Amino acid sequence: AQRVTQPEKLLSVFKGAPVELKCNYSYSGSPELFWYVQYSRQRLQLLLRHISRESIKGFTADLNKGETSFHLKKPFAQEEDSAMYYCALGGRGSGNTGKLIFGQGTTLQVKP
Amino acid sequence: DAMVIQNPRYQVTQFGKPVTLSCSQTLNHNVMYWYQQKSSQAPKLLFHYYDKDFNNEADTPDNFQSRRPNTSFCFLDIRSPGLGDAAMYLCATSRDPRLAGGQETQYFGPGTRLLVL
Repeated sequence: AQRVTQPEKLLSVFKGAPVELKCNYSYSGSPELFWYVQYSRQRLQLLLRHISRESIKGFTADLNKGETSFHLKKPFAQEEDSAMYYCALGGRGSGNTGKLIFGQGTTLQVKP
Repeated sequence: DAMVIQNPRYQVTQFGKPVTLSCSQTLNHNVMYWYQQKSSQAPKLLFHYYDKDFNNEADTPDNFQSRRPNTSFCFLDIRSPGLGDAAMYLCATSRDPRLAGGQETQYFGPGTRLLVL
């Protein structure tokens, strides 16, 4: 079964501390992983995707197929990073429907 | 700015009274999605369209219907809302992932929060 697990509902850190939001997935085909973010009173928007292998707002995420993980990391958290973060799973290749499966989300709270 | 618009932002309806939520887009994407998000839960896909080709998720209740009269607009109809249908409803669009052979970024609207009294 296709599934995304974000084990932490809330992650609270102090400004300047490292951040790691965990995401594990279950998928039988070729996975494509995303992190979406929702800031307060804003719409859900893409933060980054594994295929791009880029850093956005200082965040990075590496797809680890052996551990079926796609953890989101940032070395030094900023107060403006406070938001809800969703890990999402899609598929690649023929038969890909575009459907995304979302994790439950993790609220990141960065304290001053 | 090209975007996804949802109206209204808040909708209050009565138990059993049909309600329609609307979504429009200026991105000219051929795929549109409707998600339901209940409090503290993940967004859950209800159905999506490739152009006019409707794709229902297996576990989407029959109470939920959708219409897409043209590329820009998509509607979610709830025929007889129950208390359990109170949720945030998110519309999203993307380019066609089948053409790219990979997942396309989905662009979300702000959502419509539905309250059932």
